[in-house]
Formats: sequence, structure tokens, C-alpha cells
Amino acid sequence: GEDVEQSLFLSVREGDSSVINCTYTDSSSTYLYWYKQEPGAGLQLLTYIFSNMDMKQDQRLTVLLNKKDKHLSLRIADTQTGDSAIYFCAEIDNNNDMRFGAGTRLTVKP
Amino acid sequence: EAQVTQNPRYLITVTGKKLTVTCSQNMNHEYMSWYRQDPGLGLRQIYYSMNVEVTDKGDVPEGYKVSRKEKRNFPLILESPSPNQTSLYFCASSLYRGNIQYFGAGTRLSVL
Repeated sequence: GEDVEQSLFLSVREGDSSVINCTYTDSSSTYLYWYKQEPGAGLQLLTYIFSNMDMKQDQRLTVLLNKKDKHLSLRIADTQTGDSAIYFCAEIDNNNDMRFGAGTRLTVKP
Repeated sequence: EAQVTQNPRYLITVTGKKLTVTCSQNMNHEYMSWYRQDPGLGLRQIYYSMNVEVTDKGDVPEGYKVSRKEKRNFPLILESPSPNQTSLYFCASSLYRGNIQYFGAGTRLSVL
């Protein structure tokens, strides 16, 4: 099974908040990452959080980390059509390899 | 501009015809890797390289080869492509293993 799990689809209305959830398995991961993949493009680093933090906010993005439950979430406030993309959660495993979830496809409806 | 460049972006080929997908980075990164992306499976690592002349298998290496003769280049070689290698391929690089990875734009390969 996958080490990093995410739901595959999320649909929201423009202006609403989006919350993308992720569970991971390797508690030794120093950082946890969110990547964004726009149509026809590669993955771009969106944000990351250090494992000793509970929350990180960057403009419209809020990352929440619950280490006890190994749960990571990405909240996008005031979601816009330009936020439509696939979002990948990633951890660093104990071999120092980056492990990705299957990606959550976010669709923003006008 | 710092970037990872893959070529070609799109490729259609036939079973058994050898092909190479090139990858080059201009950030002097030590670590490079190849992934394939398939629907519902996310990214799976094919091969990685921690430095020049140092390569190792990832999770799905069967049917692929790589080489790392220079720091900036990490080509992916399919000696005898098969239809199950139809996929979207990404090259990535990072300063060292376990660090933030920077991705190329992807190569969409179809093997008929």
C-alpha cells in the first residue's frame, strides 16, 4: 500500500475554502511538503512545514500538521479558478527518499 | 534561470524501438531522479543518482536504464519499450538526497 495517502478528488466553488488532507507513515520525516501540478506542467513546490511546527501560514495557504495522528492538511482560502490543479503531499522516508501521495485533483467551479 | 529541462515533451513510439529521454539541470545539484506518474498511483521513483557515476534503483526500475556521466545530465533509457511503459515521466533534481526536489515539465510517452 501507499505510504502517503490522499483523497483523489475535491470540488469547490470559487471563493470557498479548500481543504486537502493527507496521512503519512514515516514519523522521522523532518519536513513535509505540498507540491502543485498544473495541467501540462511538472510539479512545483507550493509550501512545506518543518516537523516540529503545528501550523504554517503563507498568504492564502495554511498548512496544519498533527504529528500524533500523522495528518497533514493544506487549506486554500478564497479559492480561485487558477488554483485548479493536482496537489501532492510528500514526506521524506527513513531512506531519505521523497514519497508522494497519489495527488488530489482540485476542481474550482465558477 | 534555474531549471530542470527534459526532452522530448511528447513521444510516440512502437514496441521494441530503443529510446532515450534526456534530463539536464543547471543548479549544480548532486541528486537526480526519474519518476513515472500514472493515474491513481501518484509518482513512483524509477531510478536515482546521488552523484556522478552513482546510480541506484527506485521502486519501479524494470525495463529502464540510466546513466550519470556528468553532474548536470541524467538520461533515461528504454532499451525495448513496451506498452506498459506508456506514462508521464518526470525528472527531478535536488541539492542532495532528502532535500527539496525541482521537477522538469514532464515527458508524455506512448508506446504502441
